[in-house]
Amino acid sequence: GAGVSQSPRYKVAKRGQDVALRCDPISGHVSLFWYQQALGQGPEFLTYFQNEAQLDKSGLPSDRFFAERPEGSVSTLKIQRTQQEDSAVYLCASSSGQGAGQPQHFGDGTRLSIL
Amino acid sequence: AQTVTQSQPEMSVQEAETVTLSCTYDTSESDYYLFWYKQPPSRQMILVIRQEAYKQQNATENRFSVNFQKAAKSFSLKISDSQLGDAAMYFCAYRSDLTTSGTYKYIFGTGTRLKVLA
Repeated sequence: GAGVSQSPRYKVAKRGQDVALRCDPISGHVSLFWYQQALGQGPEFLTYFQNEAQLDKSGLPSDRFFAERPEGSVSTLKIQRTQQEDSAVYLCASSSGQGAGQPQHFGDGTRLSIL
Repeated sequence: AQTVTQSQPEMSVQEAETVTLSCTYDTSESDYYLFWYKQPPSRQMILVIRQEAYKQQNATENRFSVNFQKAAKSFSLKISDSQLGDAAMYFCAYRSDLTTSGTYKYIFGTGTRLKVLA
């Protein structure tokens, strides 16, 4: 597709359920980022992939959060045993590389609400 | 650790007028990039403009320009001839130098909501 695609657009889950959020980056983009954006705040870095390698997961808030990108394209962010504080918009971004300040292209995000 | 501060939660500007959004950052690095992103209500973040720290010349993209003051660690965005479509959240972002893990850190400010008055 022409841009970064995220699905679902909205997700409501009960506390304790597992959720999976999907990101389809721009074709050919090597770099993929996940961010968490709380209401009224800026995006906060969660994790970064270069192709299929997860080079940085320092932003993942707990071991309940897990991300993968097995074939170097589509990525999934999984949250296990969800808690209310996980409610946020989860943004995915991709870029063609990291050199020369390559900009990130963002998806529309998934708004996750935990009841 | 690097930080990005946007001290203006909300700004208003009359259509066709000029507005400046402030951003300051803190870093000990000498090589980095700075970005301004726009996030309309539909939520997709769009790159507005970027600045390389080692370039002294201020970046310009049509009606958007920056005032980059490296010594003061300031990176403000000026929007000229404001249009209704400029209404959005604007985020200032810092991209660090290469880390030991082979990646770059992106840090965003808390954003400034810009309202454009007709």
